[in-house]
Amino acid sequence: NAGVTQTPKFQVLKTGQSMTLQCAQDMNHNSMYWYRQDPGMGLRLIYYSASEGTTDKGEVPNGYNVSRLNKREFSLRLESAAPSQTSVYFCASSLWDSGYAMSNQPQHFGDGTRLSIL
Amino acid sequence: SQELEQSPQSLIVQEGKNLTINCTSSKTLYGLYWYKQKYGEGLIFLMMLQKGGEEKSHEKITAKLDEKKQQSSLHITASQPSHAGIYLCGALGGNAGNMLTFGGGTRLMVKP
Repeated sequence: NAGVTQTPKFQVLKTGQSMTLQCAQDMNHNSMYWYRQDPGMGLRLIYYSASEGTTDKGEVPNGYNVSRLNKREFSLRLESAAPSQTSVYFCASSLWDSGYAMSNQPQHFGDGTRLSIL
Repeated sequence: SQELEQSPQSLIVQEGKNLTINCTSSKTLYGLYWYKQKYGEGLIFLMMLQKGGEEKSHEKITAKLDEKKQQSSLHITASQPSHAGIYLCGALGGNAGNMLTFGGGTRLMVKP
C-alpha cells in the first residue's frame, strides 16, 4: 500500500526559479490537501481540493498555484520561488467530499518534500 | 479563526513513565484529530474524537475530549522509545468542510 506519494523528497532552488511538487494517492480518496510545516508553527493549509475539478484556498495560498489533475493527483506549483517558501511541504488526502457537511474522515499524509530556496 | 495551543512544547521522560500532552482550542472543537510524526517523516493518524467526554485508546495511548469540547488530552502509559516523535493535534472548523487547523506540536523524547 503506497498511500500518499510525494515527489521529489528534497529540492534546492534559487530565488525566482519555478517548480512543481507532485502528489498522488492510491486510496480512491475524494479530497486532497497541501500543507506547509515551519518550525514552531505547526502545519498550515495552502490549498485543498474537495473533489476532482475543484480547488480552494487555504490559510496561506499566496505564491502558490495548484492543479487537481485527476482524482489521484494534486500538484503544487511555485511560479517564482522566494526564500520565505523554504519549508517542508506535505500532501494529504481524505475520503471526505463536499457532499458531507462535516467529516469524521481522517486525512492521510505523505512523507513530505523538503524544499530550500536560496 | 481557530487557534490550537499544545502543551508542553517539548517533553523528555524516562522509559516506563506516564505522560500527558494537552491541546487547548480557542473555540469549540467539532472534531479533534491526534497525529504522530516521526522525525523527518509524514504524519500518522492516531485517533479522532468528536463527542464531549469521548475517550479512545490505541495500545498504550489514550485520548480524551473534555465535556466542554475545548480541550483534548493525550496520555501515554508506560512510555517506550518507540513513542518518541512529535505529537500534533488538528481541529475541524465549525463550518462545513474537512479543513484542519493544527497545533504547534509537542516534541517527545523517551530516554531508555
